[in-house]
Amino acid sequence: EVQLLESGGGLVQPGGSLRLSCAASGFRFSSYAMSWVRQAPGRGLEWVSGITGSAGSTYYADSVKGRFIISRDKSQNTVDLQMNSLRAEDTAIYYCSKHIKTGGYNPIDSWGQGTLVTVSS
Amino acid sequence: EIVLTQSPVTLSLSPGEGATLSCRASQSVSSNYLAWYQQRPGQAPRLLIYGASSRAIGIPDRFSGSGSGTDFTLTISRLEPEDFAVYYCQQYSSSSPMYTFGQGTKLEIK
Repeated sequence: EVQLLESGGGLVQPGGSLRLSCAASGFRFSSYAMSWVRQAPGRGLEWVSGITGSAGSTYYADSVKGRFIISRDKSQNTVDLQMNSLRAEDTAIYYCSKHIKTGGYNPIDSWGQGTLVTVSS
Repeated sequence: EIVLTQSPVTLSLSPGEGATLSCRASQSVSSNYLAWYQQRPGQAPRLLIYGASSRAIGIPDRFSGSGSGTDFTLTISRLEPEDFAVYYCQQYSSSSPMYTFGQGTKLEIK
């Protein structure tokens, strides 16, 4: 059974940094692309960032480009999201997610339960 | 950027009825790279349909997807109580950004 467990959320001041981590299990980790998707309170889904199975390619939404960095560690089966220069509009539940294939351009078939990030002074 | 517009925003129906949800793209979605997700309150989303019309593993056959190009539809026949949720379409064909979601359709009990 696929399991994705996020950690690292919390309250941070505007301009601050936070690192989210996702521990994956139940599948061959390096064979699948992974993404972070967020959902602001009461709002819809927004894809944030993705990384291919080989970690050869990373992708970002324009809203986070230059501020967030996605990475993965195949020895630990984890995917991280380093978030810098945080803004109030980054406040959201952040979901770790697994795609159905190793590369880009394919849908998400598994999701974690999410971790809440609140950016406020 | 491909913008996805879902309609209606809210759909009020009774259990046993059929539902038709629409997703319109601002430009053609190549290879029909269009997925549908269901999100129940307090839960993470769940993949229902990918490739516009292929059901994901474990999804009941009362869920079906259709469409191509810029117009896509999710049809739910014989609504069950657990089907009342928010539904999102998502395209995964564009390069910038790679993935975009529609704003969602809330399916509520009438």
